[in-house]
Amino acid sequence: RKEVEQDPGPFNVPEGATVAFNCTYSNSASQSFFWYRQDCRKEPKLLMSVYSSGNEDGRFTAQLNRASQYISLLIRDSKLSDSATYLCVVNIRGMNTGFQKLVFGTGTRLLVSP
Amino acid sequence: GAVVSQHPSRVICKSGTSVKIECRSLDFQATTMFWYRQFPKQSLMLMATSNEGSKATYEQGVEKDKFLINHASLTLSTLTVTSAHPEDSSFYICSGRQVSGYTFGSGTRLTVV
Repeated sequence: RKEVEQDPGPFNVPEGATVAFNCTYSNSASQSFFWYRQDCRKEPKLLMSVYSSGNEDGRFTAQLNRASQYISLLIRDSKLSDSATYLCVVNIRGMNTGFQKLVFGTGTRLLVSP
Repeated sequence: GAVVSQHPSRVICKSGTSVKIECRSLDFQATTMFWYRQFPKQSLMLMATSNEGSKATYEQGVEKDKFLINHASLTLSTLTVTSAHPEDSSFYICSGRQVSGYTFGSGTRLTVV
């Protein structure tokens, strides 16, 4: 089982639509959680951290359910510029190394069309 | 904000040669640098974690003699892909850790022909 699982998509939505992405993680000792955005052939960029209480940043809302080991991202009023791959990322302590490390999901591709 | 400068951004090399990728933290001291690899349509996979002044720690399945990591200073970490083969063609990216989080380099697209 992958440590972080996401639906790869693509999700094709029209401008203005609301779209939701889900993610599950397998390591119950995971310590912190993030959504990153990655544009084609570019480095990932932090979109937002995810907290159990839920957090919102403009049109983006993230939610964490530790009991279900489930993370979500909601994008409202989609813009063309939101087209990208959204990566669910978990910070865990590596079994081999003992160091904290980021584990990435494969990403969910979003295509927003006019 | 914090910046990690990664070079080269793109490199094409012949099979059997070695390629060095550099990552420099420009306005913070990266005591820990992470090296990732990303194949097309796959996730970033951590290859190794390097700490300044000590040997890198490699993830399971990553050959340390093939992927040489040097982290000799707080602002510079390098990854050398030795005796490169076509299957090493990938997107390599580094990330420096600081108190406020992780900062990624812009990545290196390696093509081995």
